[in-house]
Amino acid sequence: QQQVKQSPQSLIVQKGGISIINCAYENTAFDYFPWYQQFPGKGPALLIAIRPDVSEKKEGRFTISFNKSAKQFSLHIMDSQPGDSATYFCAASKETSGSRLTFGEGTQLTVNP
Amino acid sequence: NAGVTQTPKFQVLKTGQSMTLQCAQDMNHEYMSWYRQDPGMGLRLIHYSVGAGITDQGEVPNGYNVSRSTTEDFPLRLLSAAPSQTSVYFCASSYFSGHLNTEAFFGQGTRLTVV
Repeated sequence: QQQVKQSPQSLIVQKGGISIINCAYENTAFDYFPWYQQFPGKGPALLIAIRPDVSEKKEGRFTISFNKSAKQFSLHIMDSQPGDSATYFCAASKETSGSRLTFGEGTQLTVNP
Repeated sequence: NAGVTQTPKFQVLKTGQSMTLQCAQDMNHEYMSWYRQDPGMGLRLIHYSVGAGITDQGEVPNGYNVSRSTTEDFPLRLLSAAPSQTSVYFCASSYFSGHLNTEAFFGQGTRLTVV
């Protein structure tokens, strides 16, 4: 069963718009929530990560919002650019697991110029 | 800066053949892992290692073997390839911080087709 569910599967946004990708998790033991960005033919690369002691983390145009009670977290990309076009994966793990990650299904983002 | 290096980048196997996917990292990371990526399923953990001589199973270990004789290398072996093992395989590594997860660095992937 998929312990981390991600939506939407694909997303098309105009340049300058806001991209929003949502994830929900089941395992309440998860306490580390990273987002990875993957370009075609490349491996995933860490974009931003959050721990549940905060409800929001912002790095440049990228923001993670975290709702512990709802077991949900989301990625917001402000002022989306064509260079942001990639596949985005949310993930979750337990801090004691040594970075063993459980990934969501992925979202293919296309930002049109 | 090599980071995590995977070889080969592409491979076609016939059903029943065996092969080893190589993974090497030059960051002196303790943790290494193998994932497979399939459309609509994200990345799923196959096997995992917390250090030389120590390995553990992940979510989808059947049909795969691993060993870790050095800190740098973590090869993945397919003993008898099956079409269901057609996938893109990623190796990742991260360092041990004591109690907090750290960034996982991924290789470029190996695209494997089993016919």
